[in-house]
Amino acid sequence: QVQLVQSGTEVKKPGASVKVSCRASGYTFTRYYIHWVRQAPGQGLEWMGIINPNGGSTTYAQKFQGRVTVTRDTSTSTVYMELSSLRSEDTAIYYCARDQGGDCCDSWGQGTLVTVSS
Amino acid sequence: DIQMTQSPSSLSASVGDRVTITCRASQGIRNALGWYQQKPGRAPKRLIYAASSLQSGVPSRFSGSGSGTEFTLTISSLQPEDFATYYCLQHNSYPITFGQGTRLEIK
Repeated sequence: QVQLVQSGTEVKKPGASVKVSCRASGYTFTRYYIHWVRQAPGQGLEWMGIINPNGGSTTYAQKFQGRVTVTRDTSTSTVYMELSSLRSEDTAIYYCARDQGGDCCDSWGQGTLVTVSS
Repeated sequence: DIQMTQSPSSLSASVGDRVTITCRASQGIRNALGWYQQKPGRAPKRLIYAASSLQSGVPSRFSGSGSGTEFTLTISSLQPEDFATYYCLQHNSYPITFGQGTRLEIK
């Protein structure tokens, strides 16, 4: 079955960077795009960007342009999301989710809590 | 960016009730819309894709309809496990955008 397993909780100081991983299994990794979505405490869902694992092309939300980088490693079927220049407002749960051939998003990772605090 | 306006923001209902949640898009999105259920501490779960297609494994009491700019999610007979927060999502164009969410509570 399709599984997306994310890395664990992170605590970072303002100005630092964080890199969250999302390891895929149960399907052909390069055939489905992966999205990143975040959710601040008690808030709604916010889309950050997407990567095509076949080639590595990316599209980011304008809000995060210049601060977010999404990459992939096809040898380990893993996607990475790195967010830099962290501030307290970046405290959130970060999710990866699989795009089902143009229909977002049929399977989700369990989420990774990133806390930004001095 | 396409704005998704979801209503109501919260809703109290009883087991067995029929419930409808609406999402309006600021411009036409064809049928590029999904509905998601999220329970506390859990990742969202897709219920409906392509506006009206039921995700495999999701009970048939959930249904979706609409096209263009107006969409609805209907739960025909609420069950205890349905009390959660629901979101719509448009993927017609980037950036993908979500509705604000509807919190469904027990009356």
